[in-house]
Amino acid sequence: DAKTTQPPSMDCAEGRAANLPCNHSTISGNEYVYWYRQIHSQGPQYIIHGLKNNETNEMASLIITEDRKSSTLILPHATLRDTAVYYCIVRVLMDSSYKLIFGSGTRLLVRP
Amino acid sequence: EAQVTQNPRYLITVTGKKLTVTCSQNMNHEYMSWYRQDPGLGLRQIYYSMNVEVTDKGDVPEGYKVSRKEKRNFPLILESPSPNQTSLYFCASTTGGGTGDYYGYTFGSGTRLTVV
Repeated sequence: DAKTTQPPSMDCAEGRAANLPCNHSTISGNEYVYWYRQIHSQGPQYIIHGLKNNETNEMASLIITEDRKSSTLILPHATLRDTAVYYCIVRVLMDSSYKLIFGSGTRLLVRP
Repeated sequence: EAQVTQNPRYLITVTGKKLTVTCSQNMNHEYMSWYRQDPGLGLRQIYYSMNVEVTDKGDVPEGYKVSRKEKRNFPLILESPSPNQTSLYFCASTTGGGTGDYYGYTFGSGTRLTVV
């Protein structure tokens, strides 16, 4: 079962920041949080990941709360091309192998 | 360009006719994996491979086979497809022993399979 909870849908205006929340209250100390997105039925695209500290790359920023029970993905200036399903995933270690367990994601609609 | 290539993109077949979906990556990744995506069920892992000649079952392996004879290729084999295997399939690869610690997992563009 997915270890994350996300709102099923959100929207934001083009050019504004999109803040996508994720709850992962049962996360373990060494489990990473990953964010991927899927545009239409294309393959999921890696965005960012983190363990404890906030992270930033050319696509987005990831803010992880101090207790690690939740995180927020921030797209600083959303464009129409950012309309997609965004998955917050906790990477778990199972049977000596790492596994990404996808949940239902958040469908983000960026409005013109 | 670093990528995972799946073929074919679309496939319609009949029940019981063996088929293979190919997956190839050009990033020298050790770890490769197959997922299927169904409405309301999300992406579920079918099989994965930590390296050449090392494969293991994921969450939904029934009805599928895989092989990993070369590092770059990880074909998915359906020996006797059934209609409940109609789905969207994705291949993925990563380095770091499957941790995805550096650049995450790279996914292919998908194969939409219909079994009638």
